[in-house]
Amino acid sequence: EPEVTQTPSHQVTQMGQEVILRCVPISNHLYFYWYRQILGQKVEFLVSFYNNEISEKSEIFDDQFSVERPDGSNFTLKIRSTKLEDSAMYFCASTGQGLANYGYTFGSGTRLTVV
Amino acid sequence: DQQVKQNSPSLSVQEGRISILNCDYTNSMFDYFLWYKKYPAEGPTFLISISSIKDKNEDGRFTVFLNKSAKHLSLHIVPSQPGDSAVYFCAASPGVGAQKLVFGQGTRLTINP
Repeated sequence: EPEVTQTPSHQVTQMGQEVILRCVPISNHLYFYWYRQILGQKVEFLVSFYNNEISEKSEIFDDQFSVERPDGSNFTLKIRSTKLEDSAMYFCASTGQGLANYGYTFGSGTRLTVV
Repeated sequence: DQQVKQNSPSLSVQEGRISILNCDYTNSMFDYFLWYKKYPAEGPTFLISISSIKDKNEDGRFTVFLNKSAKHLSLHIVPSQPGDSAVYFCAASPGVGAQKLVFGQGTRLTINP
């Protein structure tokens, strides 16, 4: 079964450093998303991406965050200058239909720890 | 911002019995509702969804019920199996397009043998 692949599975970084979280969505999917889950809290929407541009972003997704689809397969989330409160599980997701009711396919996540 | 709420953080059910997970929402613009299941160290896995024009959707052991007037939905699992032990998230979407999902806090379901 096709899956969304995220690397690395765990990233530890020092506060103020830049991190790039990588995702390989399912190959024929067109809509891409990043979500995050702070420990013990709900899964929160960060950003959606379609046709090489951001289609929607949340208040969390400020100027420190950016997304890119540098080639035909990767989808990346960059945090420019990490803060302690950025520590969370970051999930990439994709869907071919663009309809939330069909359900996204999520990756297994990257646990980001900012120290 | 508590647009989607799952008021029970945990639920324990005997194997073979019915598990009922509940979810409430406040935003009447939500058009689709989904249930996801999550195991530790894995991403959420889509289980079942329902459109706001329906009041029930069934898929095998899983049935989702929607009560629009009460802004309430529930997931029924019958019979419950040990492999169903996981965290279950209710999520809602405003409708078609590349829409975000708004998640509830999750309910940890434990199935006891």
